Amino acid sequence: GIQVEQSPPDLILQEGANSTLRCNFSDSVNNLQWFHQNPWGQLINLFYIPSGTKQNGRLSATTVATERYSLLYISSSQTTDSGVYFCAVATMFSGGYNKLIFGAGTRLAVHP
Amino acid sequence: GAVVSQHPSWVICKSGTSVKIECRSLDFQATTMFWYRQFPKQSLMLMATSNEGSKATYEQGVEKDKFLINHASLTLSTLTVTSAHPEDSSFYICSARTAISNQPQHFGDGTRLSIL
Repeated sequence: GIQVEQSPPDLILQEGANSTLRCNFSDSVNNLQWFHQNPWGQLINLFYIPSGTKQNGRLSATTVATERYSLLYISSSQTTDSGVYFCAVATMFSGGYNKLIFGAGTRLAVHP
Repeated sequence: GAVVSQHPSWVICKSGTSVKIECRSLDFQATTMFWYRQFPKQSLMLMATSNEGSKATYEQGVEKDKFLINHASLTLSTLTVTSAHPEDSSFYICSARTAISNQPQHFGDGTRLSIL
């Protein structure tokens, strides 16, 4: 099956710093989503981005489907950005059900 | 829009009890729903895929007799953990999508299950 690798696994930032999280995947995808899981376990959908670039406030994401990677940019980080960031992908070979396979996540801690 | 409601949020029960978790799409028709399991400090692992009106498809290693999934309508799927034991304690999350292609999956808030 498809492999999803996220880097870095852990990241510590000072409030106000910028960061880039990376997601590499091993096969063609027809769905890619970035999530933020908060300390209560809620998965917040950040971006649906199988290709191209999107921005939402201090966050932006770029997926280069032909090179099989996606990047999540966090600018001017805040303590509320702390948590785990997951990349999840689905391939056209998942039986047509668009099953999402999750990466291991990047654990982000933003200190004041 | 695209809200998925999952209940209950927390369950604590005795070993041997069966526990039912509900996943509802509140404002869209979910032709396909998914169930995930997450252990502490780990990623989400897909357990099964369910399509409305048909049997669920389970991932390798997931016991279908232990984790019963029903998707009887376009807005409701249920996961029943039968005869639960402490090793079944985990965080269970559902998601849902429509039949329209090029649309994201929408996730519930999860259910924290603790078996004593």
